[in-house]
Amino acid sequence: NAGVTQTPKFRILKIGQSMTLQCTQDMNHNYMYWYRQDPGMGLKLIYYSVGAGITDKGEVPNGYNVSRSTTEDFPLRLELAAPSQTSVYFCASSYADWSPLHFGNGTRLTVT
Amino acid sequence: TQLLEQSPQFLSIQEGENLTVYCNSSSVFSSLQWYRQEPGEGPVLLVTVVTGGEVKKLKRLTFQFGDARKDSSLHITAAQPGDTGLYLCAGEDGGSNYKLTFGKGTLLTVNP
Repeated sequence: NAGVTQTPKFRILKIGQSMTLQCTQDMNHNYMYWYRQDPGMGLKLIYYSVGAGITDKGEVPNGYNVSRSTTEDFPLRLELAAPSQTSVYFCASSYADWSPLHFGNGTRLTVT
Repeated sequence: TQLLEQSPQFLSIQEGENLTVYCNSSSVFSSLQWYRQEPGEGPVLLVTVVTGGEVKKLKRLTFQFGDARKDSSLHITAAQPGDTGLYLCAGEDGGSNYKLTFGKGTLLTVNP
């Protein structure tokens, strides 16, 4: 099992560009999450999904969009990238909404 | 908004020393999780404490949940370089991962 796989590992964007951060898991988990981690700020929830076709906003959703067409994949879309979106992004999954989170290894994004 | 304060923010010690890091809040949590995050990787769950006053041991790591379920501590005995990493606590209130509140973390460096 690969667990949670995120691509790319690193990306540099110019202001105003868009991109999609990919996340896939092979554990057949229904629950998936996107977090951002900023230095000294902990992890903040961006969006989450409780199953295919169902998504909901977390604490910091502005500037992002998600979709969940399959159980395995949960891509995060950035439209009109801004410097404030420079961060490390982590995707996670869990079997149930109370069970342990399994994190990917992150995507480091810089917007200049 | 529930907040979790972790202290110290940074800790650098020599191999073989003991240490304790703290996770404090003014709010009550149903459970509290501890994660370790190594450079370039995602957080990995170490333990979940649920009952006030609970103590859990994981080899040289001892986790304690406060009686009032507002605070927790992590004690490491005879630290090793492999213990180096960012230690994050996360409080849960409501039985759902999307209600997790993460602390900002303690960055531990164990020097050989």
